[in-house]
Amino acid sequence: GAVVSQHPSRVICKSGTSVKIECRSLDFQATTMFWYRQFPKKSLMLMATSNEGSKATYEQGVEKDKFLINHASLTLSTLTVTSAHPEDSSFYICSASNPGRVIREQYFGPGTRLTVT
Amino acid sequence: AQKITQTQPGMFVQEKEAVTLDCTYDTSDPSYGLFWYKQPSSGEMIFLIYQGSYDQQNATEGRYSLNFQKARKSANLVISASQLGDSAMYFCAMREGPQGAQKLVFGQGTRLTINP
Repeated sequence: GAVVSQHPSRVICKSGTSVKIECRSLDFQATTMFWYRQFPKKSLMLMATSNEGSKATYEQGVEKDKFLINHASLTLSTLTVTSAHPEDSSFYICSASNPGRVIREQYFGPGTRLTVT
Repeated sequence: AQKITQTQPGMFVQEKEAVTLDCTYDTSDPSYGLFWYKQPSSGEMIFLIYQGSYDQQNATEGRYSLNFQKARKSANLVISASQLGDSAMYFCAMREGPQGAQKLVFGQGTRLTINP
């Protein structure tokens, strides 16, 4: 089956620093990837849609200058949390849709738990 | 307005019993897809089952089945013969529009606990 990886799985950083999270589709090419954020005991909230070779589409209320998304290849999208603050601490999950499958369910990465101190 | 509603924050079920997790949705788009995902404590999202709006039959995947009632806009997940490993968060999600790289909207989730 399709596999999506995320790196790192956990990261702790100091307030004011930037953190980059990678999302890779391992056995299929994903022209579109999605970035979600999940607070403890809450649902997944879509942050942005990452399109290969073009600018990401951000959901309302998500600061594009704070959450930089780059989708440079068909298998890699990155999310950079710039000038992180404690309120950015959360679980970040990426997903990718396999255009080669009929159902096209989204395959999710294992997630990255970010803690900003 | 909520597009996906899961009204059961928590469910407790005895092992080997069947369990139904509720999900209702709201859309005016005639083409849509409904998904159920399982999220164990590790955080990974595991795809369980899919139902397309034009599918005539209810979807089934092993012990999982989807009770799709289009007129009522409900897409309940039924887990038969529950197992201890089924304990997890369960999310219902909807994709609006035809298949493609559309985003998913998730419900609030239901925490299922299977008791031995």
